[in-house]
Amino acid sequence: ETGVTQSPTHLIKTRGQQVTLRCSSQSGHNTVSWYQQALGQGPQFIFQYYREEENGRGNFPPRFSGLQFPNYSSELNVNALELDDSALYLCASSLSGVGMATQYFGPGTRLTVL
Amino acid sequence: GDSVTQMEGPVTLSEEAFLTINCTYTATGYPSLFWYVQYPGEGLQLLLKATKADDKGSNKGFEATYRKETTSFHLEKGSVQVSDSAVYFCALGGNSGGSNYKLTFGKGTLLTVNP
Repeated sequence: ETGVTQSPTHLIKTRGQQVTLRCSSQSGHNTVSWYQQALGQGPQFIFQYYREEENGRGNFPPRFSGLQFPNYSSELNVNALELDDSALYLCASSLSGVGMATQYFGPGTRLTVL
Repeated sequence: GDSVTQMEGPVTLSEEAFLTINCTYTATGYPSLFWYVQYPGEGLQLLLKATKADDKGSNKGFEATYRKETTSFHLEKGSVQVSDSAVYFCALGGNSGGSNYKLTFGKGTLLTVNP
């Protein structure tokens, strides 16, 4: 069973640029959630994708957007990068059904905005 | 809205000491509760979970009991090892009436175990 994978591992961008982060979900999972973890903080929910549609969003501006593909992999896009976007971005996959499904996390992408 | 409050760290213990990390929550409905662990430079790993009141989650010697009356989910281990050094996150899983189930995390507690 393949776990959740993310790419790239590290990324350095400058303010104003755009970035795309990628996530492959665990085999058999149909839902992907994205979280932002600032240094020394707990992860914050960005949004969730189910059946290729956004299925809930946290308190993040529209310049954070995403996609889910038919194979359940997902992308997180961030436009007009700001210094405060520097964080570890975590992807989690789960199998949606009735009630809360356990989410399994990837290793994360460390984004640094200069 | 949903929130999780967990014990501020850092926590430093000697090997074989008893560990407690306190976690309390505020939520509507009946959330599931989780403990995740994050080792240096890595993502989050699920440590244990409980889905309803009075359930006890356990794994690798760690335990936590879902206490609805005190809205708590404290993490305990009877004898810690150096390899348990990590950041521990308490989280609740729930939705706001829709079909989306998200995790709400505490700020994390850094545990260091010395030999």
